[in-house]
Amino acid sequence: AQSVTQLDSHVSVSEGTPVLLRCNYSSSYSPSLFWYVQHPNKGLQLLLKYTSAATLVKGINGFEAEFKKSETSFHLTKPSAHMSDAAEYFCVVGGGYNKLIFGAGTRLAVHP
Amino acid sequence: GAVVSQHPSWVICKSGTSVKIECRSLDFQATTMFWYRQFPKQSLMLMATSNEGSKATYEQGVEKDKFLINHASLTLSTLTVTSAHPEDSSFYICSARYSPTGGVETQYFGPGTRLLVL
Repeated sequence: AQSVTQLDSHVSVSEGTPVLLRCNYSSSYSPSLFWYVQHPNKGLQLLLKYTSAATLVKGINGFEAEFKKSETSFHLTKPSAHMSDAAEYFCVVGGGYNKLIFGAGTRLAVHP
Repeated sequence: GAVVSQHPSWVICKSGTSVKIECRSLDFQATTMFWYRQFPKQSLMLMATSNEGSKATYEQGVEKDKFLINHASLTLSTLTVTSAHPEDSSFYICSARYSPTGGVETQYFGPGTRLLVL
């Protein structure tokens, strides 16, 4: 069975500083992994996805994530936070039958 | 490309009435769509998988007679909340599976529908 754990429910950073959102996964086979972002009262936007190609995945808005099989991790990073990055971030693993299994989410706050 | 829309974005209804929510894939065909429910400050919970031309597959604990799903075409799935009650108030989000030729399957999400039952 697949599962995903987001290690931090809240992360707070200052504008211009690096962002790290942590995610660990569990999968019985080579997983598909995604990061989605949700702004308040909005739907979800795909940031990036890993599908067994390059282990370092670059996404939109300067975000990237690195797949580390030995650590079963897929942490999301960005070198420099912007105020507009404040949102809820979901780490997601592809389950069977094309289902997506969502983590609990990490709320990112960005302070001036 | 790969845009998914939902209608309405907001709906307020009286207890006991039924509400229909539409999910459309605007620029691609989706044989499979998914319906999620999200409570405030919580993650998304998959309710059901909507398959074009066949019955939806519901997750455990989701009442199929209460949440009717119809996927009549390759670009439209509807979710009808029958006899809505205040506990059905939530944010409902759909997604559509996009399978590009030679590419990787990805789910694209609609903007969500907020339902408030009075």
